[in-house]
Amino acid sequence: QKEVEQNSGPLSVPEGAIASLNCTYSDRGSQSFFWYRQYSGKSPELIMFIYSNGDKEDGRFTAQLNKASQYVSLLIRDSQPSDSATYLCAVNSGGGADGLTFGKGTHLIIQP
Amino acid sequence: GAVVSQHPSWVICKSGTSVKIECRSLDFQATTMFWYRQFPKQSLMLMATSNEGSKATYEQGVEKDKFLINHASLTLSTLTVTSAHPEDSSFYICSALPGTGTDTQYFGPGTRLTVL
Repeated sequence: QKEVEQNSGPLSVPEGAIASLNCTYSDRGSQSFFWYRQYSGKSPELIMFIYSNGDKEDGRFTAQLNKASQYVSLLIRDSQPSDSATYLCAVNSGGGADGLTFGKGTHLIIQP
Repeated sequence: GAVVSQHPSWVICKSGTSVKIECRSLDFQATTMFWYRQFPKQSLMLMATSNEGSKATYEQGVEKDKFLINHASLTLSTLTVTSAHPEDSSFYICSALPGTGTDTQYFGPGTRLTVL
């Protein structure tokens, strides 16, 4: 059973601070890792993907992957109230045309 | 680019009726499409994988005779919920995978199904 674990939150962060979201996964053979943002009642939207160990930066977002620890994280710098949403960690274990296994998501609240 | 649409965006039906949901990739060809379901305050759960021109692959616990999937072209997949019941009420979301060597899925806006 492939599992992706996230702290459901809510995680409350002051505006302008760094929000840190964490995710662990059970399948050591997982190859691709994704962070999605989901607003209430809406479909997920892709924020970042990462394949290799280390950090990957895109604007205010940094994804971090540690395959040895089976751990993925997302940092959001200079947090804005519009960043308030549920953040879903997703893992592709098979590579290529496989469906994603999602975590339950972390509810992030950015306080003005 | 990489836009996926779903129709309808929401539907209300009576128990026992069937509902068809369409998923279209608007600006790319999708060799593979996926159907997910999300219950309130839960995460997305993969229901099935749909490959153009072949039978869908269903996840464990998903009834293939209840959730009929057809992927007749590289831009269209349909999910038909047959004999819907209130417990089928959920948010159904499709995603599409461009056949260009990427595993990044592009999600549709979702269809909210309510069965009375």
